[in-house]
Amino acid sequence: LAKTTQPISMDSYEGQEVNITCSHNNIATNDYITWYQQFPSQGPRFIIQGYKTKVTNEVASLFIPADRKSSTLSLPRVSLSDTAVYYCLVDGDGSARQLTFGSGTQLTVLP
Amino acid sequence: SQTIHQWPATLVQPVGSPLSLECTVEGTSNPNLYWYRQAAGRGLQLLFYSVGIGQISSEVPQNLSASRPQDRQFILSSKKLLLSDSGFYLCAWIPGLGSVGELFFGEGSRLTVL
Repeated sequence: LAKTTQPISMDSYEGQEVNITCSHNNIATNDYITWYQQFPSQGPRFIIQGYKTKVTNEVASLFIPADRKSSTLSLPRVSLSDTAVYYCLVDGDGSARQLTFGSGTQLTVLP
Repeated sequence: SQTIHQWPATLVQPVGSPLSLECTVEGTSNPNLYWYRQAAGRGLQLLFYSVGIGQISSEVPQNLSASRPQDRQFILSSKKLLLSDSGFYLCAWIPGLGSVGELFFGEGSRLTVL
């Protein structure tokens, strides 16, 4: 199982781009990387998922280098409402879907 | 579309009392189901997961148990609650074997043990 490591916390200011990196050194060939956002007293919600290179959607981009041992979530022009905990999760399509989250990164956006 | 419901949303229980949290998923078949717990200010701790009816994998030895009596029903139970069982409990599902998808979480159940 690919264990993930992220910074515990990050601060940013409104309007800045934020990059959060996750390390997953023992990622398996069939594993995908998914990022979630969690607000207090809510369940995490999906942000973006990728396998390699770059993925972009309406809220974020995900950069995955060729060796896939890390990934970077990029949030463009953050606002106060982006203050939340961000988790990366590594998962494949096998039968042992033991989906264990790491500690996550508390992002605080300041005015 | 798929939906997930869990209940009750909030409960306050005395130490030593039993617990039953229920979770149901609609609009999908053969999902993998999960119970997580989140203590105040902490991350998500995986408690149990299930890849099929009657199949339960436990991640943390404790006084909690889980059951999956039907394909889309997942129940978390305890015979005697401890103070340390307080927390925010989340049920989640993901498409089963052979597919990669996202985890969908329920609304959560906040348990306070006094």
